[in-house]
Amino acid sequence: QSVLTQPPSVSAAPGQKVTISCSGSSSNIGNNYVSWYQQLPGTAPKLLIYDNNKRPSGIPDRFSGSKSDTSATLGITGLQTGDEADYYCGTWDSRLSAVVFGGGTKLTVL
Amino acid sequence: EVQLVESGGDLVQPGGSLRLSCAASGFTFSSYAMNWVRQAPGKGLEWVSGISGSGGNTYHADSVKGRFTISRDNAKNTLYLQVSSLRADDTAVYYCAKAPGYCSGATCYWYFDLWGRGTLVTVSS
Repeated sequence: QSVLTQPPSVSAAPGQKVTISCSGSSSNIGNNYVSWYQQLPGTAPKLLIYDNNKRPSGIPDRFSGSKSDTSATLGITGLQTGDEADYYCGTWDSRLSAVVFGGGTKLTVL
Repeated sequence: EVQLVESGGDLVQPGGSLRLSCAASGFTFSSYAMNWVRQAPGKGLEWVSGISGSGGNTYHADSVKGRFTISRDNAKNTLYLQVSSLRADDTAVYYCAKAPGYCSGATCYWYFDLWGRGTLVTVSS
């Protein structure tokens, strides 16, 4: 049981838009920055979004992040088959004094 | 080249110990906090431990407190994780990750912008 709650899977057609939610509480998302990671099959995770909505250099603007209260959302537009991956949200939990991750969301591009 | 390379994973019996290493290159190692994150087969990411750039502050998940110890040697640009009293549920790929940001009081404003490829620890008799 993860501290942060993500849907197990989402799907959409190529070219469409998808959003992935990440729900937490006041001890984590509500008072800390959220980051998002993409893990392609068989590879290490890769940073997509940090500080709720900032993209590292090299990450296309098709990827976006937002946060409201105790929830965060990752948005992906112009879906490509290469976007098929597992996506994780993460943040610091002040009550646990630990980094916490969501359980991950598997994106399928139909 | 900016990279992290883990090593030290192995097959170990329950109750055994290992020392994992992570060699860093291409950035000023001592300027960044470093972390270990693990992933059990077919499962999600689980944070294990973190350490400040100086090595003066360490943080561990409750699931590994008292069994795992994170440390670093800034002269060698290397991060370590000493794992002991291993259990079957410690079986996972262990990733090291670079963490920009800072800690203030009991809160760490970390995110992980560089990951290694991981090293596999298998705990089995």
